[in-house]
Parts: sequence; structure tokens; C-alpha cells
Amino acid sequence: DSGVTQTPKHLITATGQRVTLRCSPRSGDLSVYWYQQSLDQGLQFLIQYYNGEERAKGNILERFSAQQFPDLHSELNLSSLELGDSALYFCASSAINRYGYTFGSGTRLTVV
Amino acid sequence: AQKITQTQPGMFVQEKEAVTLDCTYDTSDQSYGLFWYKQPSSGEMIFLIYQGSYDEQNATEGRYSLNFQKARKSANLVISASQLGDSAMYFCAMRPTNAGGTSYGKLTFGQGTILTVHP
Repeated sequence: DSGVTQTPKHLITATGQRVTLRCSPRSGDLSVYWYQQSLDQGLQFLIQYYNGEERAKGNILERFSAQQFPDLHSELNLSSLELGDSALYFCASSAINRYGYTFGSGTRLTVV
Repeated sequence: AQKITQTQPGMFVQEKEAVTLDCTYDTSDQSYGLFWYKQPSSGEMIFLIYQGSYDEQNATEGRYSLNFQKARKSANLVISASQLGDSAMYFCAMRPTNAGGTSYGKLTFGQGTILTVHP
């Protein structure tokens, strides 16, 4: 157990639907990062939150949004889902230290 | 901007042999950290080893060592005495660091190398 908890582990949904992925960071970590891993795009950074505030944005579609709550857990919302959104979505958390990155086990999203 | 290049889509190695996975990088940052992660078929990302750009010695962690050549902008992973359980996807990644060596910000990943260990 890495200390970063992602739920659900698997999700199958239809095109056009909306889903929410949840991430609980490791205890004490203030930063949460979301990544998308697909076969054609590799591992892509989506967005970072630090202590409740958006810190950096990457290749995140307008149909996707995220937030970090006061208890530091984060949610990634994916809407108007397309077949191409099928991917493994990772959450990672970090503290201010030399290595700083711990990944969750990921949520595998399948859009049918 | 940072870029990681892994030119080996797949590698094969015999059990108990050593293998080197290549990684080259490009960055405008003065200070940065280089990481290697292992992703087995189960999907989780497992941290293997870290090298800071100002570290004078190459990093080692058990059977893993990082061959860091700053002038050539390469950070190759060497796995000694390969085991069947080493079969997985391996990612090289980098992240900027501040002057004190603390990493911050996003990780930039390469495309990965699939390693297959034969008995």
C-alpha cells in the first residue's frame, strides 16, 4: 500500500456519460497530481493541486475538471465521455522532500 | 520545457544477466531530478531510483543503478542479475528541483521500455 488511495479501481461507462474519480493523498502530503495513461499518448500530466488550490495545468481537456477539498482529497470529473477517454488515470501526491512522488494504483476507465 | 526520450520500445534479457535501459533528456532547468519507475502488468507505478542533477555520485538502490552522464544528458537504468519479476514497463521521468535539491512540480515521462526477462 503506497498510502495514496484511488477509487474506483475499474470503471466502465458509456459515451456521453460523466464520471468522478477520487483520490486520497498520503497522510501529510499537500500536493495532488493527476495523470492520464493511454496507449497512444503515454503518461500525460493533467493537473496539480496544492492545499486546495490549482497550481499547474497540463493537457487537460475542457470536458475534464478537478478539485481538492479541505481534507485534501481530490476528485477528477470527466464529462461527455468519448471512446478516446478510455485510459488509466493515476493520482499522485507529494510532500516537500527530495523524492516527493507517490502514485496511487490508478483507476482504469473504459468508455464503451 | 522538459523532454524525455526512451528509444527502446522493448528489451529482452536472460535471467541473471544485466540489462541497460536507455534514457536521454532535454531541459532548460539548471537543476533537476531524474527518476525511474517500474510498471508491472498490474498497472501500479513503482518508484525505483532517483538521481539529482548535482549529485556527484551515480545513484544505486539494490540491483538498480543509474548511469548518469550529465554532459551527454543521459540517465540510463542498469538492472543487475535480472529476475523474472523484473518483466515490466519501465519509465524514465524528470522533474525540476530548486537549488536545495527539492523536487517540485509535475513529472515528465518518457514513452517507456517494455522489459522481458527470459528464464
